[in-house]
Amino acid sequence: DAGITQSPRHKVTETGTPVTLRCHQTENHRYMYWYRQDPGHGLRLIHYSYGVKDTDKGEVSDGYSVSRSKTEDFLLTLESATSSQTSVYFCAISVWEGGTGELFFGEGSRLTVL
Amino acid sequence: KNQVEQSPQSLIILEGKNCTLQCNYTVSPFSNLRWYKQDTGRGPVSLTIMTFSENTKSNGRYTATLDADTKQSSLHITASQLSDSASYICVVSARVANFGNEKLTFGTGTRLTIIP
Repeated sequence: DAGITQSPRHKVTETGTPVTLRCHQTENHRYMYWYRQDPGHGLRLIHYSYGVKDTDKGEVSDGYSVSRSKTEDFLLTLESATSSQTSVYFCAISVWEGGTGELFFGEGSRLTVL
Repeated sequence: KNQVEQSPQSLIILEGKNCTLQCNYTVSPFSNLRWYKQDTGRGPVSLTIMTFSENTKSNGRYTATLDADTKQSSLHITASQLSDSASYICVVSARVANFGNEKLTFGTGTRLTIIP
């Protein structure tokens, strides 16, 4: 258990509304990630962070923004949700040992955009 | 383009039987290959991580193999249990210039169902 908590776990919202998902970790790991998981696709990286206020885009970042004002919290924001953003969102952290970063995932946040 | 392909997409076996899942990849430059187990409604959990120099690695009843020459990996499950019912995801990491940021490519997973 890497001490990762995602909230909310489930959310239903309407097109055009803003949504923020929160990822909280208890172990002060430097690297945090947001992924989305959709049927027929492997997990895809949205954004990642390598420290407080240090973030970068992943492969599917359009329509998403992130913020990391504290080591323990990484927020994912959908400024204006669309139906194509209906997905399961996973937060992950990297724990580095021997030059390899092992990923630990949260339990996921299921978002439905109507 | 980096790609990871897994087969079969789904598999149903009887409890107690063995099974093997396959992963083929085209990822360069290769850093490591990982297998994850994802129970329904949960996040993925790491089973094994193998680097270029490792060709087999075990975690209990799970044994992963890696052939870096043919770019293939397999996950063998021995004496399956009902709790092995899950999706198994192959993930291949490419080396990148910045330490701490590996570029991961995820397969779509194999859905394994164990029936009593």
